Amino acid sequence: EVQLVESGGGLVQPGGSLRLSCAASGFTFSSHAMNWVRQAPGKGPEWVSIISGSGGSTFYADSVKGRFTISRDNSKDTLYLQMNSLRAEDTAVYYCAKTGSGSPDYWGQGTLVTVSS
Amino acid sequence: DVVMTQSPLSLSVTLGQPASISCRSSQSLVHSDGNTYLNWFHQRPGQSPRRLIYKVSNRDSGVPDRFSGSGSGTDFTLKISRVEAEDVGVYYCMQGTHWPTWTFGQGTKVEI
Repeated sequence: EVQLVESGGGLVQPGGSLRLSCAASGFTFSSHAMNWVRQAPGKGPEWVSIISGSGGSTFYADSVKGRFTISRDNSKDTLYLQMNSLRAEDTAVYYCAKTGSGSPDYWGQGTLVTVSS
Repeated sequence: DVVMTQSPLSLSVTLGQPASISCRSSQSLVHSDGNTYLNWFHQRPGQSPRRLIYKVSNRDSGVPDRFSGSGSGTDFTLKISRVEAEDVGVYYCMQGTHWPTWTFGQGTKVEI
């Protein structure tokens, strides 16, 4: 059974940093591109970033480019999102999601990030 | 960026009756590889989104056959043949053709 468990969310002040983690199990982690998708309160999902299975390719939404960094440790089956220079508009539930057949086929339960003073 | 527009934004349905949600993209979703990467997700309150349909009409494992997807180019539809109580929540379409920027529709809230 595919399982994705996010952690690392919390309350942070504007301009601060946070690192999210996503522990994966139930599939061959290194064989799949992985994503971060966020959902602001009362809004629809917004794709944030994707990383290839090897970790050699990464892409970002324009809204986070230059501030967020996606990475993965295939020896630990873990995905990361380093978030710097956080803004109020980054407040959201952050989901990690596995790519399958060209879209996110499995999602974690999410971790809430709140950016507020 | 590709804009995904859903209609209606809210849908009140009767148990056992059919329901239909429309999704329109601002650009064709036909990929150069010949596939059309249009997906449908369902999100119940307090839960993560769950994929129901991928590549227009393929149901994910465990998805009841009362759900079906259709369409081509820029116009797509999700149909529920007979609505059940567990089908309440918000439905989103999502395009994966214009990769790597996936974009979602605004969502359609379905209630009984």
